[in-house]
Amino acid sequence: QQQVKQSPQSLIVQKGGISIINCAYENTAFDYFPWYQQFPGKGPALLIAIRPDVSEKKEGRFTISFNKSAKQFSLHIMDSQPGDSATYFCAASGYTNAGKSTFGDGTTLTVKP
Amino acid sequence: DAGVTQSPTHLIKTRGQQVTLRCSPKSGHDTVSWYQQALGQGPQFIFQYYEEEERQRGNFPDRFSGHQFPNYSSELNVNALLLGDSALYLCASSLEPSLTGELFFGEGSRLTVL
Repeated sequence: QQQVKQSPQSLIVQKGGISIINCAYENTAFDYFPWYQQFPGKGPALLIAIRPDVSEKKEGRFTISFNKSAKQFSLHIMDSQPGDSATYFCAASGYTNAGKSTFGDGTTLTVKP
Repeated sequence: DAGVTQSPTHLIKTRGQQVTLRCSPKSGHDTVSWYQQALGQGPQFIFQYYEEEERQRGNFPDRFSGHQFPNYSSELNVNALLLGDSALYLCASSLEPSLTGELFFGEGSRLTVL
């Protein structure tokens, strides 16, 4: 049973454009929703995270939008750059136990110059 | 400040063999979680160790076992290897209960089973 569904599987964006990746979860016990960035040959690195008590969180060019009633959250990358080309994973967990996270299947983002 | 370190980075085994992967957590972290990442998929939770005990386990068979040492480092053991065990094995460390929810990953050990 996949508890976190991520889309699209792949995404191609022009430099300067907006990249949008969506995730949906099922378990209402989740209360921590991070996004990870993974480059080839590297482990995932935390990019930005949100808790369900807020609807939006912004850090630089990266924004998470959260819709608790729909059980959906999304990552927006503004002014996308070639260096943003990577695989992005959404995840969900309990806030005090991020060690047991449920991940989506990933979105491979390619930003064309 | 050293991050999460894993060894070996790559290894090749044959079906039926056993493998041991090692992980040193980020300095100050006391909890280690192991994940399996198959090609083209997201990481899947295997189990978590805290205070030298397995605290939580994902949907993995008993062929997967682990250990945590007093210095918080950890090992993942897989017995009777199957072709389907070929994957990137990731170790992640955290401080539980976490005040920030952050999870720090190592670069992984890529296992190929022939």
